[in-house]
Amino acid sequence: GAVVSQHPSRVICKSGTSVKIECRSLDFQATTMFWYRQFPKQSLMLMATSNEGSKATYEQGVEKDKFLINHASLTLSTLTVTSAHPEDSSFYICSALTLGFTSNEQFFGPGTRLTVL
Amino acid sequence: KQEVTQIPAALSVPEGENLVLNCSFTDSAIYNLQWFRQDPGKGLTSLLLIQSSQREQTSGRLNASLDKSSGRSTLYIAASQPGDSATYLCAVVATSGTYKYIFGTGTRLKVLA
Repeated sequence: GAVVSQHPSRVICKSGTSVKIECRSLDFQATTMFWYRQFPKQSLMLMATSNEGSKATYEQGVEKDKFLINHASLTLSTLTVTSAHPEDSSFYICSALTLGFTSNEQFFGPGTRLTVL
Repeated sequence: KQEVTQIPAALSVPEGENLVLNCSFTDSAIYNLQWFRQDPGKGLTSLLLIQSSQREQTSGRLNASLDKSSGRSTLYIAASQPGDSATYLCAVVATSGTYKYIFGTGTRLKVLA
């Protein structure tokens, strides 16, 4: 099956710093990638939809200037949490939509645990 | 606005029992529905994907059904094992708007040895 990786898997940073999370589709090209956030014991909430070569579409309530998304190639999307604060601590998961598959299935990365001190 | 609900929120059963997890969604206009498993602190593992034209999918001890008209899906787990303990999430993709998954609230399953 299609594989999606995320890096780093875990990051701890000080309040006020910026953190970049990478999402890569390893064996397929993804025109669209999605970024989700999951707080403890809660479900996944979509943050934004990222299309290669264009600006990301953010969900209501998600600050686009705080969560910068770049989808520069068909295999890489990045999420940068700018000026991170403790309330940004969460589990961030990306997914990638495959090209050429009839099922339109999204494949999910393993997630990145962000802890802001 | 699509809303996805899962019942029960938590479930604890002895090993060997057959289980049914429920997922309901408010808008029946969907492309597909997918069931996932999530272990604590980990990412998602896809279990079964049901296209809107399908009524069920099976994989090993798992069987998922879809009734679009009533806005329901069930995940049946046969002969449960302690290794099945995890959170189970369902997600739907609506036909309207952008192509995105809306996740359910999840069911935390614990299978006791």
